[in-house]
Amino acid sequence: DADVTQTPRNRITKTGKRIMLECSQTKGHDRMYWYRQDPGLGLRLIYYSFDVKDINKGEISDGYSVSRQAQAKFSLSLESAIPNQTALYFCATSDWGYEQYFGPGTRLTVT
Amino acid sequence: TQLLEQSPQFLSIQEGENLTVYCNSSSVFSSLQWYRQEPGEGPVLLVTVVTGGEVKKLKRLTFQFGDARKDSSLHITAAQPGDTGLYLCAGGRQTGANNLFFGTGTRLTVIP
Repeated sequence: DADVTQTPRNRITKTGKRIMLECSQTKGHDRMYWYRQDPGLGLRLIYYSFDVKDINKGEISDGYSVSRQAQAKFSLSLESAIPNQTALYFCATSDWGYEQYFGPGTRLTVT
Repeated sequence: TQLLEQSPQFLSIQEGENLTVYCNSSSVFSSLQWYRQEPGEGPVLLVTVVTGGEVKKLKRLTFQFGDARKDSSLHITAAQPGDTGLYLCAGGRQTGANNLFFGTGTRLTVIP
């Protein structure tokens, strides 16, 4: 089984809808991250969490919110989706070091 | 602000050729990582370098961290179709956040 799982893998939604992307990990890591990937821009950090009680904004947090339900679960919400939030979204985990382990990604399309 | 610029953005070569991908920044990083990403999957870590001037080899892949810890290169010898993918560099900074800053990516295609 994969160490980092994301659901759904693909999602098409309409402008203005609220959606939630979920991430679960079995690696036992305290640190979890949400990134979005756009062609030519690499990966950009949306939010990160170093433990259940610690949530921090990343480079591009506007329009997004997160919830850390447990050490193993970190969800990303788009309160009111807009077309420029169409992207690939990745969840990642790490321990105290820099190495990050990524999930398979969620392809989100906002029409 | 894009801290890490990769070049080239796209690279298409014949099987057996050599290639080098560059990752450059004006910022100093405490570590530099290289990831490879295949379609439909998340990035997978290839290597981490932490010392200025450090060279690491992983089979046909050679990674180098610049002396000033601002840049890095990835050299592939005798490329194979299985090397096809998106290569991402990522710099780490020893701030309280301990986060990674990802480069813009190089999409490599190796033609059989």
